Amino acid sequence: DGGITQSPKYLFRKEGQNVTLSCEQNLNHDAMYWYRQDPGQGLRLIYYSQIVNDFQKGDIAEGYSVSREKKESFPLTVTSAQKNPTAFYLCASSSSAGGTDTQYFGPGTRLTVL
Amino acid sequence: DAKTTQPNSMESNEEEPVHLPCNHSTISGTDYIHWYRQLPSQGPEYVIHGLTSNVNNRMASLAIAEDRKSSTLILHRATLRDAAVYYCILRAYSSASKIIFGSGTRLSIRP
Repeated sequence: DGGITQSPKYLFRKEGQNVTLSCEQNLNHDAMYWYRQDPGQGLRLIYYSQIVNDFQKGDIAEGYSVSREKKESFPLTVTSAQKNPTAFYLCASSSSAGGTDTQYFGPGTRLTVL
Repeated sequence: DAKTTQPNSMESNEEEPVHLPCNHSTISGTDYIHWYRQLPSQGPEYVIHGLTSNVNNRMASLAIAEDRKSSTLILHRATLRDAAVYYCILRAYSSASKIIFGSGTRLSIRP
């Protein structure tokens, strides 16, 4: 089945530790995205990538880093510099980054900082 | 950046039509209007999108005002499975960075 997978579903981290969230897609999509969602809020864009080996900052990139070494993979690292990392993280992909394209979302990773 | 405004919550009866409004008074000429919906603890799901003309698909209809400053998502016959948070989103034609999620409308369906 084609789709987007995110792992793990739940993640606990101690303060001061970096943690990496996985996102994989087998839809052959060029564009991939990371969003953050806080309770009762909408989604905010962290980073996006339109093509392999290229990525751009979104609205709230501080404290996060990404890589795009393969078309199907777009991991997100939450660094210790992120002051309030507890949130629901969603990965998405689309065939391109244009305004007409549908984004397909993964099931999300819920990160809790202890 | 153009933003959207939606009511926080709405309630409807099962098997009746639902009209979900969205205001986007600062929309630019190249912004597409997208609607997604999200069930609890899940990723959002695409519903529909349009630019100027009204659009229909198997899930819903999108009615866009002539001046494009507002739009309405129409669910023709609500079911209990339609209970979700509905997001009205503006997307620029050429830039992925301009993705602004509105506050969303939490839709409840009464059996």
